[in-house]
Amino acid sequence: GDSVTQMEGPVTLSEEAFLTINCTYTATGYPSLFWYVQYPGEGLQLLLKATKADDKGSNKGFEATYRKETTSFHLEKGSVQVSDSAVYFCGRKAAGNKLTFGGGTRVLVKP
Amino acid sequence: GAVVSQHPSRVICKSGTSVKIECRSLDFQATTMFWYRQFPKQSLMLMATSNEGSKATYEQGVEKDKFLINHASLTLSTLTVTSAHPEDSSFYICSASLAWDSNQPQHFGDGTRLSIL
Repeated sequence: GDSVTQMEGPVTLSEEAFLTINCTYTATGYPSLFWYVQYPGEGLQLLLKATKADDKGSNKGFEATYRKETTSFHLEKGSVQVSDSAVYFCGRKAAGNKLTFGGGTRVLVKP
Repeated sequence: GAVVSQHPSRVICKSGTSVKIECRSLDFQATTMFWYRQFPKQSLMLMATSNEGSKATYEQGVEKDKFLINHASLTLSTLTVTSAHPEDSSFYICSASLAWDSNQPQHFGDGTRLSIL
């Protein structure tokens, strides 16, 4: 079935460090790929998306490229801030509109 | 951007009580809404898919008589946890989608933290 695998956290970084969160997905069909962010006690907010191979989603300094050849959608940010501390979820969505999430990666940015 | 409102944000009640959670799409018509459950430090688990004007589709292992879902209009879906018990305590999150187009993202509410004493 559909699945998403992302690196386990927590990931602890210093401010201005480079962040990478790995995400891979099952290649069934032609899924759209998403990254969502969840701040403490809140729901999920869409961070970025990509709908086809080689698309790059970007928002708030975060980027992710849809890599069909490696079935990956890694999230990157060049210089993190304390306010980026949150849990990040990678998701895939195919026909039927169901969104399958990875396990989430908790990121903690220290000043 | 699209806004989804979920209410209440927090509920604390006694065992045996039924609790209703509302999910509203404020600025778009949602043909499909989804209900998730999230345990502490875990990912979201899809409970059911709610389609306007028809019966909800429940995921395997989710009791439909326990978790009643109603999607009476294109802007409102409700989840009722019937006769709630402490093991039902969790964070419940809804999401709404514009259409069946898989390219459209789901927009999430802020969640409801349910605590059953």
